[in-house]
Amino acid sequence: GAVVSQHPSRVICKSGTSVKIECRSLDFQATTMFWYRQFPKQSLMLMATSNEGSKATYEQGVEKDKFLINHASLTLSTLTVTSAHPEDSSFYICSARSSGGLRNPEAFFGQGTRLTVV
Amino acid sequence: AQSVTQLGSHVSVSEGALVLLRCNYSSSVPPYLFWYVQYPNQGLQLLLKYTTGATLVKGINGFEAEFKKSETSFHLTKPSAHMSDAAEYFCAVSFWSNDYKLSFGAGTTVTVRA
Repeated sequence: GAVVSQHPSRVICKSGTSVKIECRSLDFQATTMFWYRQFPKQSLMLMATSNEGSKATYEQGVEKDKFLINHASLTLSTLTVTSAHPEDSSFYICSARSSGGLRNPEAFFGQGTRLTVV
Repeated sequence: AQSVTQLGSHVSVSEGALVLLRCNYSSSVPPYLFWYVQYPNQGLQLLLKYTTGATLVKGINGFEAEFKKSETSFHLTKPSAHMSDAAEYFCAVSFWSNDYKLSFGAGTTVTVRA
């Protein structure tokens, strides 16, 4: 399958600082990227959907000013957690899909980023 | 509204035994169905997918799943469990009409006993 690279895999930051997480599609053009948050022992919660060159669409309850998403190219999307607080500590995962249409609806996932805010 | 239900949050099997993970969905339009596997502190890896056509789909690592429209199910099976199959498994559904957003089940943790 296609490869999605997410960086960093782990990050520890101080409360009040901002953290940027990158998600890259390495061997395909990702017209759509998704950002998820996963709490321990739980399923994935979709935070937002981003289409290249457009503003991200956030799910209900997700603060767009706190979780800034940029999808400036067909291979890169970034998630910036602004003014991070301990409650933002979580596992963040990105996924990407190409414009393969009906035959290729699947999304491919990055390795995830473990964010710890101290 | 669409949803995915995975029956059983935890499944324990003996090495060499059948693995069966259950997934049911609800939707008013034809779904795309997926099974993903997640190892600790990692992202998700696609095991298999159903889009259209043959209802029995084969995936990686010896897994397969069967789409049963009448039962709105997409159960995952593997004839013989291996220790390396211990992981978290997620069933997911998406729709072309919803920008292919994935809706996930709650997940099933599989442990394999030696």
